[in-house]
Amino acid sequence: NAGVTQTPKFQVLKTGQSMTLQCAQDMNHNSMYWYRQDPGMGLRLIYYSASEGTTDKGEVPNGYNVSRLNKREFSLRLESAAPSQTSVYFCASRWGTETYEQYFGPGTRLTVT
Amino acid sequence: EDKVVQSPLSLVVHEGDTVTLNCSYEVTNFRSLLWYKQEKKAPTFLFMLTSSGIEKKSGRLSSILDKKELSSILNITATQTGDSAIYLCAVDSNYQLIWGAGTKLIIKP
Repeated sequence: NAGVTQTPKFQVLKTGQSMTLQCAQDMNHNSMYWYRQDPGMGLRLIYYSASEGTTDKGEVPNGYNVSRLNKREFSLRLESAAPSQTSVYFCASRWGTETYEQYFGPGTRLTVT
Repeated sequence: EDKVVQSPLSLVVHEGDTVTLNCSYEVTNFRSLLWYKQEKKAPTFLFMLTSSGIEKKSGRLSSILDKKELSSILNITATQTGDSAIYLCAVDSNYQLIWGAGTKLIIKP
């Protein structure tokens, strides 16, 4: 039981490049989330998927797109990376949409130069 | 706008001390309040408090929810250097978790 896995762990991009962050969970959870974490700002929700086949914007969705490929996988795409997207990205999942704890992946440290 | 505020932002104490971390919230649709511990990597879950479960305890850590005051506290007694971390509070509202900025706790030996 691996929990929540993310790839890659580290990435350096040049401004304007694109990339996809991958996330998978093996806990049969219905809801999945993408966050970014910047120093002193806590976790900010980018997008979430309450269930397979649905996605919704969070607090900071601009510059990102997501795909809920199936129940296990939820990917985050940066179409044209900008230095402001330098951050640590966490994927999380939970059983339902409320009153359940979220489980986090190990994170991806992204630097955009 | 929903918001969660934690205080203090940082705290330095000596091993053996007791600390109290605070979390206050203003949200439109409260479901639960969660505490997480974050060391160098991903946050790990500590407690969840709801209207039907306003007090939780695990070893040296305990937490209480005050629904009247819209706040929660996290207590750590007999602190150890391994308690050094960022402690995050989040409130479940409208299918999302609203996160505080965290309290950075440093335990000196």
